[in-house]
Amino acid sequence: AQSVSQHNHHVILSEAASLELGCNYSYGGTVNLFWYVQYPGQHLQLLLKYFSGDPLVKGIKGFEAEFIKSKFSFNLRKPSVQWSDTAEYFCAVNAVNTDKLIFGTGTRLQVFP
Amino acid sequence: EAGVTQSPTHLIKTRGQQATLRCSPISGHTSVYWYQQALGLGLQFLLWYDEGEERNRGNFPPRFSGRQFPNYSSELNVNALELEDSALYLCASSLRARGYTFGSGTRLTVV
Repeated sequence: AQSVSQHNHHVILSEAASLELGCNYSYGGTVNLFWYVQYPGQHLQLLLKYFSGDPLVKGIKGFEAEFIKSKFSFNLRKPSVQWSDTAEYFCAVNAVNTDKLIFGTGTRLQVFP
Repeated sequence: EAGVTQSPTHLIKTRGQQATLRCSPISGHTSVYWYQQALGLGLQFLLWYDEGEERNRGNFPPRFSGRQFPNYSSELNVNALELEDSALYLCASSLRARGYTFGSGTRLTVV
């Protein structure tokens, strides 16, 4: 069965610090990978996605993620966070032969000015 | 283009009652997914409907059920409500898994 692990449950940073959130998945086949963000009181929004091609994916708001197939990882990065990045971040995976999207448990990011 | 719409926004029920949540997908999307977001548990997959059929369900008891209508909108029904069913229920739609768009959710509170 597929599963997604997000190892950082709660991350606290100061503005301008660099961010890396870990995401690992377990599935041996071809996958599509996603990062979603949920700002306080708002609905889930897609940050970026990987289907195929260049494993370094750029998303909105300066976020990027790198798919490393050998490590089953899809870590999210941002070189310099802002206070407005305070939110919950979810990594999600779906196997190409199914439609079911499996989420990690989320990482709560707090950025202090 | 209208996004995924869910109704109601908030729902308060008492233990043992039934709740019905509704979701309208983005026009052209044939798949609807339901997720439960309970405090501290992330998003748990509930149900997936495509072309009117239930394609997959998560690890939830049978009192969680639903259906998809010919216009691809969907209903989630929760029978015999328990306190631990209190959560945000999210609906998402997609077309052939190329992108999932989420609604704002229905906040269900069971008292």
